Amino acid sequence: QKEVEQNSGPLSVPEGAIASLNCTYSDRGSQSFFWYRQYSGKSPELIMSIYSNGDKEDGRFTAQLNKASQYVSLLIRDSQPSDSATYLCAVPAFSGGYNKLIFGAGTRLAVHP
Amino acid sequence: NAGVMQNPRHLVRRRGQEARLRCSPMKGHSHVYWYRQLPEEGLKFMVYLQKENIIDESGMPKERFSAEFPKEGPSILRIQQVVRGDSAAYFCASSPRAGDNQPQHFGDGTRLSIL
Repeated sequence: QKEVEQNSGPLSVPEGAIASLNCTYSDRGSQSFFWYRQYSGKSPELIMSIYSNGDKEDGRFTAQLNKASQYVSLLIRDSQPSDSATYLCAVPAFSGGYNKLIFGAGTRLAVHP
Repeated sequence: NAGVMQNPRHLVRRRGQEARLRCSPMKGHSHVYWYRQLPEEGLKFMVYLQKENIIDESGMPKERFSAEFPKEGPSILRIQQVVRGDSAAYFCASSPRAGDNQPQHFGDGTRLSIL
């Protein structure tokens, strides 16, 4: 059974700082990785997907993947109070199969003014 | 609205009643996944369906729970004889294809409360 681990937090950062969220996974064969943002009482919202080693940038978000070390991270630059949410890391249960996702428990981010 | 549509948003049932949760995938998506999120816990996979087929129901309790995705109409998650422990948020997600690189988009969920 694949495992996806995240520090539950809360991670508290001041407004304008860089928030760094980390995720480790157990299956070395995993190929696809997803970051979702979930506001309290709301549904998960896909914010990033990454498939290759290295960095992928989208606006203020950067996903970093290191398959050798089996970790994927999400950086949020210029953090805003509106970024305060739980960030979920998700990895497919099967490589090359259908996309049954295994989610980490999520890291709660609090951005304070 | 072209997103994943779930209804009802909130559902209250008494113990022993039945709960029916509906999900219409995004337009063009024929792959539906159901997840459950218990209070203060992470999302857990329940079942994966394609049109008229259940592909993987390994995360769904074997008793009282069933799912379907008929040729016409939404996917249905059905919980019979509900108990307090069924109180949770149930999310449906869809994707256009089956591959593990296919991002899933979630509906707003159904919050089920059991009295």
